[in-house]
Amino acid sequence: RKEVEQDPGPFNVPEGATVAFNCTYSNSASQSFFWYRQDCRKEPKLLMSVYSSGNEDGRFTAQLNRASQYISLLIRDSKLSDSATYLCVVKGGNTPLVFGKGTRLSVIA
Amino acid sequence: EAEVAQSPRYKITEKSQAVAFWCDPISGHATLYWYRQILGQGPELLVQFQDESVVDDSQLPKDRFSAERLKGVDSTLKIQPAELGDSAMYLCASSFGYNEQFFGPGTRLTVL
Repeated sequence: RKEVEQDPGPFNVPEGATVAFNCTYSNSASQSFFWYRQDCRKEPKLLMSVYSSGNEDGRFTAQLNRASQYISLLIRDSKLSDSATYLCVVKGGNTPLVFGKGTRLSVIA
Repeated sequence: EAEVAQSPRYKITEKSQAVAFWCDPISGHATLYWYRQILGQGPELLVQFQDESVVDDSQLPKDRFSAERLKGVDSTLKIQPAELGDSAMYLCASSFGYNEQFFGPGTRLTVL
């Protein structure tokens, strides 16, 4: 089993739609969770950290379910500029970041 | 805004040749990482430095890859000899401690 698994997509959604991505992780000792965004042929950039209580940043909401070992990202009111690959990232205490393969999102006009 | 610098941005080489990539982290970031990202995959850590010391190089193919950060600032990743399967994006990242990692633009390597 991969350490971090994501549905690769692509998710093709119209502008204004709400879309959700899930990610599962295998290491129950994982402590930190993140969503990174990566545009085509660009470097990954931190979108948001994921906290146990869930957190929201504008149109983006991230949630963590430790019992089921998954994290989610919800994007409301999708914009064309949201088109990118979203990488789920998990980290242990002193262990390196472990990246999922990413989920590709295309927002269509 | 401070950024991680990498060069070259693109490198084409023939198999069995040597290649080297350079990274200059954000000033003050003691932790530096080299990742390899194959098309369609997430980045995979090759080596992590804390200042000039290697913290984790367990995934670095040491028969052909080497990395150094002699003065604890900029870093060089070398591949010798390059193989076809090394074609990928090589990303450098830096962080202040174990906080958010900031990535450079990457070096896209093509081995012919």
